[in-house]
Amino acid sequence: KAGVTQTPRYLIKTRGQQVTLSCSPISGHRSVSWYQQTPGQGLQFLFEYFSETQRNKGNFPGRFSGRQFSNSRSEMNVSTLELGDSALYLCASRFTGYTDTQYFGPGTRLTVL
Amino acid sequence: AQSVAQPEDQVNVAEGNPLTVKCTYSVSGNPYLFWYVQYPNRGLQFLLKYITGDNLVKGSYGFEAEFNKSQTSFHLKKPSALVSDSALYFCAVRDKDNYGQNFVFGPGTRLSVLP
Repeated sequence: KAGVTQTPRYLIKTRGQQVTLSCSPISGHRSVSWYQQTPGQGLQFLFEYFSETQRNKGNFPGRFSGRQFSNSRSEMNVSTLELGDSALYLCASRFTGYTDTQYFGPGTRLTVL
Repeated sequence: AQSVAQPEDQVNVAEGNPLTVKCTYSVSGNPYLFWYVQYPNRGLQFLLKYITGDNLVKGSYGFEAEFNKSQTSFHLKKPSALVSDSALYFCAVRDKDNYGQNFVFGPGTRLSVLP
């Protein structure tokens, strides 16, 4: 079974631009979560989508948004990029149950200049 | 609120020696606990989890972890470390009794296994 895939793997943007990241979950997984990883803040939860609905949201500004499609693929959008948005963005998928393990993709490395 | 602490930023161990990476947690209910490992420029890889039952959980690559409810700990262990175990390790918790709460991750512990 293929793992979680994320595209693109690397991205360079400038301040003020917007960016869209994509995540394809493991086949059959219906929950997709997004995390931001930085050296200073560690792993921070952005949001979780399940069956095309946002089920949980972390403490990030409204510039960070996401969506999930009917095939469970998810996109994350960041508008008006700031230098502090430079990070590794990780997507994780799991089946449906509360005890189900999250499986992570390789991440998208975003650099904002 | 849920929280996870990994009290050591860095753990150094000689190859062949046993290793321990510490994790303590705080949840209002009962915990589901997870360990993940991250290699450079990679996502997190699942190692093991505790849901219920036996307090000693065995996982991938020879790792195991012991759930201790009284000490609210879930330390990761391996009897004999390999150089290839050098990586960043994350402990995560989910509150069993607060359905809908997301995973909370610890800050990570960098493990260096010296040849």
